[in-house]
Amino acid sequence: GAVVSQHPSRVICKSGTSVKIECRSLDFQATTMFWYRQFPKQSLMLMATSNEGSKATYEQGVEKDKFLINHASLTLSTLTVTSAHPEDSSFYICSARVSGRVEQPQHFGDGTRLSIL
Amino acid sequence: DQQVKQNSPSLSVQEGRISILNCDYTNSMFDYFLWYKKYPAEGPTFLISISSIKDKNEDGRFTVFLNKSAKHLSLHIVPSQPGDSAVYFCAASATGGGSNYKLTFGKGTLLTVNP
Repeated sequence: GAVVSQHPSRVICKSGTSVKIECRSLDFQATTMFWYRQFPKQSLMLMATSNEGSKATYEQGVEKDKFLINHASLTLSTLTVTSAHPEDSSFYICSARVSGRVEQPQHFGDGTRLSIL
Repeated sequence: DQQVKQNSPSLSVQEGRISILNCDYTNSMFDYFLWYKKYPAEGPTFLISISSIKDKNEDGRFTVFLNKSAKHLSLHIVPSQPGDSAVYFCAASATGGGSNYKLTFGKGTLLTVNP
């Protein structure tokens, strides 16, 4: 089945650091990737939709200058949390969708636990 | 305003019995629905989906039922196995033009199947 790899799985860093998270589709091409954030006991909240070769589409309330998204190829999207602060601590997870067919499920990475001290 | 609701945060069933997980939605534009299963420290794994043109989709032990008039869907697992113990997320999408097929998730239901 479709495999999505997300790296790193866990990050602990000091306040003010910028953190980059990578999301790769390993065995399929993904023109569209998605970035989610999950707080404890809450649902996955979509942050942005990442489109290969174009600017990401951010959901309402998500700061595009804070969460930089780059989708440089059909298999890689990156999320950079710039100047991270403790309130940015959360579980970040990406997904990718196989291109082409209308009804294709999103396939998820294993997530990144970000802890800002 | 939660567009996808899973009102039961947890469910416990005996091995071999049926597990029924419920999901309600409010957005009438949703026309594609999915169930994901999530183990701790892993990402959600796609389980089964259903399009709004159908009212039932079956895959092995898993069946999803869709009641469009009630804006309700359910996932049935028969027979339940201890390995099914996980958090189950319901998700919905509007596949119309320009939607990018983004998913709206419920909060999840923790299923525990007891041996």
